[in-house]
Amino acid sequence: KAGVTQTPRYLIKTRGQQVTLSCSPISGHRSVSWYQQTPGQGLQFLFEYFSETQRNKGNFPGRFSGRQFSNSRSEMNVSTLELGDSALYLCASSTSLAETQYFGPGTRLLVL
Amino acid sequence: GEDVEQSLFLSVREGDSSVINCTYTDSSSTYLYWYKQEPGAGLQLLTYIFSNMDMKQDQRLTVLLNKKDKHLSLRIADTQTGDSAIYFCAVGTGRRALTFGSGTRLQVQP
Repeated sequence: KAGVTQTPRYLIKTRGQQVTLSCSPISGHRSVSWYQQTPGQGLQFLFEYFSETQRNKGNFPGRFSGRQFSNSRSEMNVSTLELGDSALYLCASSTSLAETQYFGPGTRLLVL
Repeated sequence: GEDVEQSLFLSVREGDSSVINCTYTDSSSTYLYWYKQEPGAGLQLLTYIFSNMDMKQDQRLTVLLNKKDKHLSLRIADTQTGDSAIYFCAVGTGRRALTFGSGTRLQVQP
């Protein structure tokens, strides 16, 4: 079974721009979570989606948003990018909210 | 909020046992996880333990939980060079690793 895939793997943007990252969960998985990893703050939970609804949200500003489609694929969007948004963005999927997550390789975003 | 602390670095020789420690603050944490991250890669779930357990063994991995002290440890027996990576401790109140430690970099010397 294929693992969690994230696209693109690498991305360079400039301050003020917006970016959309994509995550395809493992086949059959309906829950998708997003995490941000930075050297300074470590790994932080962004949000989680299940059946196209946001079920849980971390402590991030409203510039960070996400959505989930009917095929369970998920996208996250960051508007008005700041230098501090440079990070590795990890997506994780699970069969349901009650099951263990499996992580993708991440998208590395660099904001200049 | 929840806080999870780990030491930053551990160096061991190949064949020795490695013990990575973690402390957390929220006593209501029900699931405690260990993840491995190799350079340029995402997180790999190694193992997890429920808060009502004291120990879990999975091949070369042994997880010990001391709920009273809110202390979690991961022991890797017969450590190999392929075990060199960053190990993250994470906790959650459900099956969600919501709070992560800063990671322990394990260096295995031949």
